[in-house]
Amino acid sequence: DGGITQSPKYLFRKEGQNVTLSCEQNLNHDAMYWYRQDPGQGLRLIYYSQIVNDFQKGDIAEGYSVSREKKESFPLTVTSAQKNPTAFYLCASTSRRGIGYTFGSGTRLTVV
Amino acid sequence: AQRVTQPEKLLSVFKGAPVELKCNYSYSGSPELFWYVQYSRQRLQLLLRHISRESIKGFTADLNKGETSFHLKKPFAQEEDSAMYYCALLTQGGSEKLVFGKGTKLTVNP
Repeated sequence: DGGITQSPKYLFRKEGQNVTLSCEQNLNHDAMYWYRQDPGQGLRLIYYSQIVNDFQKGDIAEGYSVSREKKESFPLTVTSAQKNPTAFYLCASTSRRGIGYTFGSGTRLTVV
Repeated sequence: AQRVTQPEKLLSVFKGAPVELKCNYSYSGSPELFWYVQYSRQRLQLLLRHISRESIKGFTADLNKGETSFHLKKPFAQEEDSAMYYCALLTQGGSEKLVFGKGTKLTVNP
């Protein structure tokens, strides 16, 4: 059953802690993306990677970090430098231009 | 700079009425546009792409380069169309990425 798996579904973080959100795909897609979804803000791009061992900052990369050591995995770390981390995080992937993205089911992060 | 504008946060219609969700874009290159839909408790999914000129679930969207618009239309709305709709623009060049609008929440009332 092919697709994108994000884990965990819900995550609680204390202020000052770093947390890592997992994104795994078995679609053999080259490109992967992390978006943040906030009510009334739509989806905003955090980081993206078009090939293994390479990634670029999106529009709101501050306070986040990523790695792309394997084609199927693109974890996102929310660091303590992120001022307002409470949000819904979506991972996506695509195999080639123009066919659209496949999205994961998301991780809801709450800072407590 | 690339930008996608969806002017309506909320849109409410009655079942059987026509519906139009507006989308305007700003982009210096040749645009590729998409509509994505997110039903309650489901993941975001592709609804349609302008390049394929398809009709999905009765929805259509035509790219109007003169008006820089890509409005989503359906002649007869159904209750199951109630969802969040996002218009998105695919940028060109070496760093291709989807730029999303802020979304429109459509409610179809019985």
